[in-house]
Amino acid sequence: NAGVTQTPKFQVLKTGQSMTLQCAQDMNHNSMYWYRQDPGMGLRLIYYSASEGTTDKGEVPNGYNVSRLNKREFSLRLESAAPSQTSVYFCASSERRRPNEKLFFGSGTQLSVL
Amino acid sequence: GQSLEQPSEVTAVEGAIVQINCTYQTSGFYGLSWYQQHDGGAPTFLSYNALDGLEETGRFSSFLSRSDSYGYLLLQELQMKDSASYFCAAYSLNSGGYQKVTFGTGTKLQVIP
Repeated sequence: NAGVTQTPKFQVLKTGQSMTLQCAQDMNHNSMYWYRQDPGMGLRLIYYSASEGTTDKGEVPNGYNVSRLNKREFSLRLESAAPSQTSVYFCASSERRRPNEKLFFGSGTQLSVL
Repeated sequence: GQSLEQPSEVTAVEGAIVQINCTYQTSGFYGLSWYQQHDGGAPTFLSYNALDGLEETGRFSSFLSRSDSYGYLLLQELQMKDSASYFCAAYSLNSGGYQKVTFGTGTKLQVIP
């Protein structure tokens, strides 16, 4: 099992460019998440999706859009990248399955916006 | 709203015990989890508490008090490899009844010889 796969691992954009970060999981999880991580800020929730066809805003959704293409895939799009979006982005998935409800994370995408 | 507070840094000696605290204010709260992240890596799951009390997993234990909106992670017999960042994460249900997970700002643990 690959778990959660994120692409690309690294990306450099110029201000105003657009791009899509891809995420796929093979664990048949319903819930998927996008977080960004900045030094000293922890992991901040951008968007999440509880199931195919539903998406919800997290703590910092401005400047981003998401698509839950199917149960496996959850993509994050930056329509017009800004330097403030320079960050490490993590995708995660989980299932409400007691007793442990663990998130499985992808390896991350390091994005720089110049 | 959602907020989780943790100390930013902790230093402890190899072989000792360290406790990392987390206080939360989370609407729809139903569980608290802890994750470990080494520099350059992804967070990995350590523990989950849905009920009050202590959960033990090897050298790591986690505690939750729902009435105090408080939890902690206890690391025993510290090893150098435990040097990492530790995040508490609050599990909640949003207005639609769906799972939502928000993280604290993290505690950087340095283990010294």
